[in-house]
Amino acid sequence: EVQLVESGGGLVKPGSSLKLSCVASGFTFSSYGMHWIRQAPKKGLEWIALIYYDSSNKYYADSVKGRFTISRDNSKNTLYLEMNSLRSEDTAMYYCAKGCYSGDYFDYWGQGVMVTVSS
Amino acid sequence: DIVMTQSPSSLAVSAGETVTINCKSSQSLLYSGNQKNYLAWYQQKPGQSPKLLIYWASTRQSGVPDRFIGSGSGTDFTLTISSVQAEDLAIYYCQQYYDTPYTFGAGTKLELK
Repeated sequence: EVQLVESGGGLVKPGSSLKLSCVASGFTFSSYGMHWIRQAPKKGLEWIALIYYDSSNKYYADSVKGRFTISRDNSKNTLYLEMNSLRSEDTAMYYCAKGCYSGDYFDYWGQGVMVTVSS
Repeated sequence: DIVMTQSPSSLAVSAGETVTINCKSSQSLLYSGNQKNYLAWYQQKPGQSPKLLIYWASTRQSGVPDRFIGSGSGTDFTLTISSVQAEDLAIYYCQQYYDTPYTFGAGTKLELK
């Protein structure tokens, strides 16, 4: 059974940093691209980052480019999202999601982790 | 960026009805190299993570009931839910994966009449 379990969220002040983790199980983690997607309270879904299976390529939404860094450790089956210079508009539920071989649709999602940026 | 426009934003239905949700992209999602449309549909129930329903515009994900049907090509796509059941009440999102940044529609909320 595929499982994605996020952690690391919390309440932080504007300008601070936070690092999210997503531990994967039930599939060959090192073979798939992985994504972070977020959802602000009562809002829609926003894709924010992609990392290839071998970390060779990374892509970001403009809203987080230069502030967030996606990474992975295939030996630990873990995906990360390092978030710097956090703003109030980064307040959201953050989901990690598994990509597919043939295309970047998301066939499995984690339960999400809440990040609240507030003074 | 590819803009995804969904309509309607909400829909009130009775159990047993057939509903149609529309999704329009600002550019074609049909890749000529493989003749596939890079469009997916997700269902999100309250308090839950999104769930993949449809990919390649019309391929049903394993385990998804056959009352969920995806159709369309190019820039215009439709999710049809035949004989809506109470468990189908949720928000539905379309998503393009033709090009980064991957983008979602704003969602269509299916409510009980």
